[in-house]
Amino acid sequence: GAGVSQSPSNKVTEKGKDVELRCDPISGHTALYWYRQRLGQGLEFLIYFQGNSAPDKSGLPSDRFSAERTGESVSTLTIQRTQQEDSAVYLCASSFRRSSGGYNEQFFGPGTRLTVL
Amino acid sequence: KNEVEQSPQNLTAQEGEFITINCSYSVGISALHWLQQHPGGGIVSLFMLSSGKKKHGRLIATINIQEKHSSLHITASHPRDSAVYICAVDHGGSQGNLIFGKGTKLSVKP
Repeated sequence: GAGVSQSPSNKVTEKGKDVELRCDPISGHTALYWYRQRLGQGLEFLIYFQGNSAPDKSGLPSDRFSAERTGESVSTLTIQRTQQEDSAVYLCASSFRRSSGGYNEQFFGPGTRLTVL
Repeated sequence: KNEVEQSPQNLTAQEGEFITINCSYSVGISALHWLQQHPGGGIVSLFMLSSGKKKHGRLIATINIQEKHSSLHITASHPRDSAVYICAVDHGGSQGNLIFGKGTKLSVKP
């Protein structure tokens, strides 16, 4: 498809287990973002990838969270030893960085709804 | 105080009404985004603007950089416009990540 895709769409896990969430950005988009949306809350920035540059991890809430991206393609967000407070919708977005340094609009994936029991 | 404030938090309107949602921000920005989130659905970008006004169909977005304020207007509202509308700013950092408002939940009754 032409849009951002994420998998799985839903994930239920037990407290203490590790989970891995996947994002496939739009082809050609150099910038990739992970955001989190807790129930009834606004979106929070987690991590940003741009090309082959070092990612900006300033939004990650704890060292249990990590993310990787292969070149300018797929990204995975890993949460180790999940806690109930990690329950949220995890959204991925991608964008194209202009040569002028600015960014075009972000295109969002459908999200992964994570429930930690 | 949040860097991006939206008002109102909740809005109920009758079909056909003119709707305005407001967004104020306290940081310098390179662009402001209006997003739409349907229940159970993903997020769609409606507008990205850095000055003036943009129009798509029945939707109009305006921004006043000096006053650090933006408005989203919906003319001739329809029940299918019911959604959460989110204001987000690109604060011009090197990474382009967005700072989000908490959203305005709009319900348009037939």
